[in-house]
Amino acid sequence: GQQLNQSPQSMFIQEGEDVSMNCTSSSIFNTWLWYKQDPGEGPVLLIALYKAGELTSNGRLTAQFGITRKDSFLNISASIPSDVGIYFCAGLSGNQFYFGTGTSLTVIP
Amino acid sequence: DVKVTQSSRYLVKRTGEKVFLECVQDMDHENMFWYRQDPGLGLRLIYFSYDVKMKEKGDIPEGYSVSREKKERFSLILESASTNQTSMYLCASTRGAGTHFGNGTRLTVT
Repeated sequence: GQQLNQSPQSMFIQEGEDVSMNCTSSSIFNTWLWYKQDPGEGPVLLIALYKAGELTSNGRLTAQFGITRKDSFLNISASIPSDVGIYFCAGLSGNQFYFGTGTSLTVIP
Repeated sequence: DVKVTQSSRYLVKRTGEKVFLECVQDMDHENMFWYRQDPGLGLRLIYFSYDVKMKEKGDIPEGYSVSREKKERFSLILESASTNQTSMYLCASTRGAGTHFGNGTRLTVT
């Protein structure tokens, strides 16, 4: 399957700091998605991006669809303890999703 | 409120046992997927289905099979469980980009 490279693998930050993570692919996707997985739960969709160059916000989260269509970025501003979890990017090709390996975020109060 | 329900949160099985993981969705979605999640490896696709009685292999189908007899139910079967199948198993149901995951089944094979 197609590989999505997600970085960083893990982050430890202080409450209030901003967070950035990104995802790159060797293939082009027409849709990029970002998910968050809380401990013990399944992933939940945060943001979906449908057009190259698109910048979309959901509260303190902002995601961008790279203009090459091979990458995407997620930023979290002013982190809070409940932001802790694993964040996954995914590219959608046809009906199939290809996931990144995840970024584990720890927020230190 | 949409729901994807996995029948068990935790399972412990012995090597060689046949294991059934059940997933039910109430959204009338055509597409359903089974993934396994392991630390550092992300979500890896085992099998997927786009319609009743239809199934396609994902990236790691070996040692698994699936059944989709009804639109709302997608079952993952481990024919003879092995210790390397100890993992978190996630079911997902989708329509377009809209994805809904179950809460996962953590399977331990001893």
